[in-house]
Amino acid sequence: AQKVTQAQTEISVVEKEDVTLDCVYETRDTTYYLFWYKQPPSGELVFLIRRNSFDEQNEISGRYSWNFQKSTSSFNFTITASQVVDSAVYFCALSSYTGGGNKLTFGTGTQLKVEL
Amino acid sequence: EAGVTQFPSHSVIEKGQTVTLRCDPISGHDNLYWYRRVMGKEIKFLLHFVKESKQDESGMPNNRFLAERTGGTYSTLKVQPAELEDSGVYFCASSNRISNSPLHFGNGTRLTVT
Repeated sequence: AQKVTQAQTEISVVEKEDVTLDCVYETRDTTYYLFWYKQPPSGELVFLIRRNSFDEQNEISGRYSWNFQKSTSSFNFTITASQVVDSAVYFCALSSYTGGGNKLTFGTGTQLKVEL
Repeated sequence: EAGVTQFPSHSVIEKGQTVTLRCDPISGHDNLYWYRRVMGKEIKFLLHFVKESKQDESGMPNNRFLAERTGGTYSTLKVQPAELEDSGVYFCASSNRISNSPLHFGNGTRLTVT
């Protein structure tokens, strides 16, 4: 069975601080995908990144960066110089390759509050 | 390109009543998924359509839930009769099967059963 753990229920930071959201996963699959989604107050789930298990290179996109470490089964997400607009619930998710890789197992989410 | 559209955005019904949620996927997306988030818990998979066929309905909680996708376009999820534990946010998502694109989610329907 697959499992995703986001141990941080809620994080509060002051604007311009860096913040890291943790994600630890469990799977018996040898090939799988990892995802991060953002849910702003408006409610929709916004896709941020998909990573396949073959690619352990870290990725950076603007102020966002992701650190994938297979050895610790972690896929952490860092926001650099956080802004108020980053306030949202962030979900980490996992899927196996089979079936197109979109049957996702989500974590419980981390509520990020960025204050002025 | 229009995104995934869900209707209604909110629904409040009494226990025992029926509710039908609708999802319009992105045009041309064969894959359509339903997910649900019960208050404070993780988002859970309900089922997956490929065009009009149910590919995987292993996440459907019980036979009070009926999903359809006639013609392979929009989908409906009917809850009949609704129970208190059905309250939550129901998300629909779609993806392009050929390009194996990641899921695009809608805004969700918040269902409250009183």
